[in-house]
Amino acid sequence: EVQVVESGGGLIQPGGSLRLSCTTSGFTVTGNHMTWVRQAPGKGLEYVSVLYGRGNPYYADSVKGRFTFFRDSANNTLYLQMNSLRADDSAVYYCARVRGADYYYGVDVWGQGTTVTVSS
Amino acid sequence: DIQMTQSPSSLSASVGDRVTITCRTSQSIRNYLNWYQQKPGKAPRLLIFGAGSLQSGVPSRFSASGSGTEFTLSISSLQPEDFGTYYCQQSYTIPLFGPGTKVDIK
Repeated sequence: EVQVVESGGGLIQPGGSLRLSCTTSGFTVTGNHMTWVRQAPGKGLEYVSVLYGRGNPYYADSVKGRFTFFRDSANNTLYLQMNSLRADDSAVYYCARVRGADYYYGVDVWGQGTTVTVSS
Repeated sequence: DIQMTQSPSSLSASVGDRVTITCRTSQSIRNYLNWYQQKPGKAPRLLIFGAGSLQSGVPSRFSASGSGTEFTLSISSLQPEDFGTYYCQQSYTIPLFGPGTKVDIK
């Protein structure tokens, strides 16, 4: 079964760091582009980052320089390292698979999300 | 940066009604437009990619069209399970999402 499962969310103080994990099954992370999308409470969807199959990541301006998206190919697991967290980073973070060669084909496999709350 | 709008922001319709949601972009994105449905507390679900292609497993009552800067998502006969928020997403540049359209069943 094709599946994505996130973990690692929690309550963290402003300025702190957190690492989210994304475990996949049914497909390889090196053969697919993967993305993180977040959703603040009561708000819409926001693109965070994409990691292309070749391994090069891109980031939204709002997280550039603070977040790092990388993978462990051997374990088919991806990570989002989040540093210098701010209150406006509080959200449900979804890990998901980009369908096909690029975003033109949409994002078709989503995890259930993991909640990050940045608060003192 | 490309700006995206959706209209209406919310709607309430009866079972069996035809529902249409519009997504507009500030510049042409050709047909690089996807549609998602999200229910409360759940992850989004891909409905349409490439402006008009139905994702596998999505009921045929969903359809979409458009190109350039104006796009529409239609539900031909609204069903009770179609409640939720619908988002468009442009994939021409940075994959931005529209603000969403909340659909309620009367």
